[in-house]
Amino acid sequence: GQNIDQPTEMTATEGAIVQINCTYQTSGFNGLFWYQQHAGEAPTFLSYNVLDGLEEKGRFSSFLSRSKGYSYLLLKELQMKDSASYLCAVRDLATDSWGKFQFGAGTQVVVTP
Amino acid sequence: KAGVTQTPRYLIKTRGQQVTLSCSPISGHRSVSWYQQTPGQGLQFLFEYFSETQRNKGNFPGRFSGRQFSNSRSEMNVSTLELGDSALYLCASRGTAGNSPLHFGNGTRLTVT
Repeated sequence: GQNIDQPTEMTATEGAIVQINCTYQTSGFNGLFWYQQHAGEAPTFLSYNVLDGLEEKGRFSSFLSRSKGYSYLLLKELQMKDSASYLCAVRDLATDSWGKFQFGAGTQVVVTP
Repeated sequence: KAGVTQTPRYLIKTRGQQVTLSCSPISGHRSVSWYQQTPGQGLQFLFEYFSETQRNKGNFPGRFSGRQFSNSRSEMNVSTLELGDSALYLCASRGTAGNSPLHFGNGTRLTVT
């Protein structure tokens, strides 16, 4: 999606922390979602933010600042199985009341031993 | 609860042919969306159906069409296939609550030769 930006790739070592940033521009913001996608598999839902602040789910946390059009996904205690693409998606009510999802191009996270 | 089911998993077609892909959503989900995923373009929105009506459409040519049946199952059709249509086609369903995420199927990998 041309209105959603995230880094293309990030590399980190096992046990470390990685923060994936996502910036977006939309006039009808109605929620931000993070997905994980392993190669050759379907994206799976990780987290959802609609209000400002931090949402924590085990090793994964997601933060949102609506005024800045900014979110990040924090992956702690990295494991080899966390090597995947992480997709940022915004639900946009500007186009219609049901809300269309727009996806970023994804950030490939590579975890090294 | 069974997840989103897509058939077939793999398809090989030649240019000029047409193809039909099928998607069965999670039981109780009435919204079904279709996405095209390619390495260069990421996840691109095709269309969304709700209760047999197309609610949203992405920027794809008219060769791409879809429909939804009364049991919420959906099909998408691509006619006059082009080499550039080679991609992973993902179907996703979701519930009606505002914070409902998209739940993706494993996709259909289409190769056009």
